Amino acid sequence: LAKTTQPISMDSYEGQEVNITCSHNNIATNDYITWYQQFPSQGPRFIIQGYKTKVTNEVASLFIPADRKSSTLSLPRVSLSDTAVYYCLVVAPGQNFVFGPGTRLSVLP
Amino acid sequence: KAGVTQTPRYLIKTRGQQVTLSCSPISGHRSVSWYQQTPGQGLQFLFEYFSETQRNKGNFPGRFSGRQFSNSRSEMNVSTLELGDSALYLCASSLRTGWTNYGYTFGSGTRLTVV
Repeated sequence: LAKTTQPISMDSYEGQEVNITCSHNNIATNDYITWYQQFPSQGPRFIIQGYKTKVTNEVASLFIPADRKSSTLSLPRVSLSDTAVYYCLVVAPGQNFVFGPGTRLSVLP
Repeated sequence: KAGVTQTPRYLIKTRGQQVTLSCSPISGHRSVSWYQQTPGQGLQFLFEYFSETQRNKGNFPGRFSGRQFSNSRSEMNVSTLELGDSALYLCASSLRTGWTNYGYTFGSGTRLTVV
């Protein structure tokens, strides 16, 4: 079973900020939170990872509250090319991923 | 630097045949993990190889096997193909066993169609 719960799908419009929240109530001390993006017929691509508080890179921000039982991926000003499936994964070093169904984001013009 | 390379990109096989897929990890990465992705089951972990040894295995029948060579390149073999084996097969490489916070990179996959 996947360790995370996230919405199955979301719709947004170009130029909007998109926030995808992921629940991971049973996160362990050694676990990190990492997000991947996948386009059809391609392998998942790393977006961002974090352990606690806030992490920001050139494509996204990741917000993790103090209890670490949830996290929010924030995509600023999405474009049509951001239409993809987004996976929230909780994993400790040395483990292999257990994927859930992910969130299918559709960006509309 | 070069990414994870999977070959071939597409493959069509007949039921009952066997198939071998190849994965070349990022240079310096010693771990290769394999995943199967189908519309019905999503992304599922098959197995992981590290330093030529199978380190971890998912819940798949014995028809699915793999190996890793001394240069860290890995092959996955499926024998006696079934229609349900049609899927996108992905491999991922990392520096150490399993996921690391230094990077866990997927290839583009091999699309296998069994007819």
